[in-house]
Amino acid sequence: KQEVTQIPAALSVPEGENLVLNCSFTDSAIYNLQWFRQDPGKGLTSLLLIQSSQREQTSGRLNASLDKSSGRSTLYIAASQPGDSATYLCAVRPTGNQFYFGTGTSLTVIP
Amino acid sequence: DGGITQSPKYLFRKEGQNVTLSCEQNLNHDAMYWYRQDPGQGLRLIYYSQIVNDFQKGDIAEGYSVSREKKESFPLTVTSAQKNPTAFYLCASRLGIWSNQPQHFGDGTRLSIL
Repeated sequence: KQEVTQIPAALSVPEGENLVLNCSFTDSAIYNLQWFRQDPGKGLTSLLLIQSSQREQTSGRLNASLDKSSGRSTLYIAASQPGDSATYLCAVRPTGNQFYFGTGTSLTVIP
Repeated sequence: DGGITQSPKYLFRKEGQNVTLSCEQNLNHDAMYWYRQDPGQGLRLIYYSQIVNDFQKGDIAEGYSVSREKKESFPLTVTSAQKNPTAFYLCASRLGIWSNQPQHFGDGTRLSIL
């Protein structure tokens, strides 16, 4: 069974700093990997989806990379802002219909 | 605007009671999912449906039931057999079960025990 790990569990950075969030998974046979943002008490908002054939995806200040062979993905956030404060989750879709989620990284950007 | 609507936002259950959580989508998606989220844990899959009148158990289906009579709707019933139902429940949808399109989520329902 696929295991997804996100380290660190929590991260605090000053405003303006560039930062990297990590996601690792145990089985490299995946169709895609999706990054989400979750605000307190809310559902998940999709940020980026990387297909297994892709190495990275970019949206605005966000850049997600995928290294299937090592079972890792990173989410890079440039010039962080207080509005980026949220929990960030990654989810992988192996060769099947289910998605497996990490426990998330809680990000606080300090003004 | 297209999206997923979950209701109610908060729900309270008495001992021995069944409760039903609503999930409606107007995205014309075939695939729909129910997840449970507990503090400090990732989302865990309860049930998913690929198409109308079809659904499959996820990793933690015991104590839950679903139906898929319409494409837009995928209600989840938390039965009295679910002994630890307090959690945040999230509904999601995707274009098709075999597509490589992203999942979209509703805003969740928080269920508590009275």
